[in-house]
Amino acid sequence: AQSVTQLDSQVPVFEEAPVELRCNYSSSVSVYLFWYVQYPNQGLQLLLKYLSGSTLVESINGFEAEFNKSQTSFHLRKPSVHISDTAEYFCAVSVPHNTDKLIFGTGTRLQVFP
Amino acid sequence: DGGITQSPKYLFRKEGQNVTLSCEQNLNHDAMYWYRQDPGQGLRLIYYSQIVNDFQKGDIAEGYSVSREKKESFPLTVTSAQKNPTAFYLCASSIGGVVTEAFFGQGTRLTVV
Repeated sequence: AQSVTQLDSQVPVFEEAPVELRCNYSSSVSVYLFWYVQYPNQGLQLLLKYLSGSTLVESINGFEAEFNKSQTSFHLRKPSVHISDTAEYFCAVSVPHNTDKLIFGTGTRLQVFP
Repeated sequence: DGGITQSPKYLFRKEGQNVTLSCEQNLNHDAMYWYRQDPGQGLRLIYYSQIVNDFQKGDIAEGYSVSREKKESFPLTVTSAQKNPTAFYLCASSIGGVVTEAFFGQGTRLTVV
């Protein structure tokens, strides 16, 4: 079975500082990987995803994540955060040719301070 | 605009009452999902459906029921058997088969008093 671990439940950071949100997964087969963002009292929005190809994927608002197969990680990074990035971030996996659902981590609350 | 609509956004019910949460999508997606979100626990899968008239239990199906009579609709009933129903409920859909992207509704916050 697959699982996702987000070790940091909260990450406080000052505006314009860099940030990394960590995600590790467990799977004996290859996976698809996702980062979703959730603003207060809203649904989830896809931030970026890795299906195949380049291991570095980017979002339109400056976030990037790198798939590292040897470390089974998919950490999310941004070189300079903005107040508007304050939200909860969820990492998720699905398994090609196997599972037909997303498996989520417990989420990381990013709090950006001025 | 295509998307997923959950209604209502806020719902209050007395303990012991069944309540049904609505989820409608106009994305022509085959697959639909219900997740429950509690603080610090992430999203937990309640039920999912890959095709009309078929659905499967997720990790926490006890105390919940669903139906999938139409492709665009996947209502969730929270029954009186659910021990702790107060939570934020999220509906999602995807094209079908292996998930390469899922789209979420805005959620329904259910409070049982």
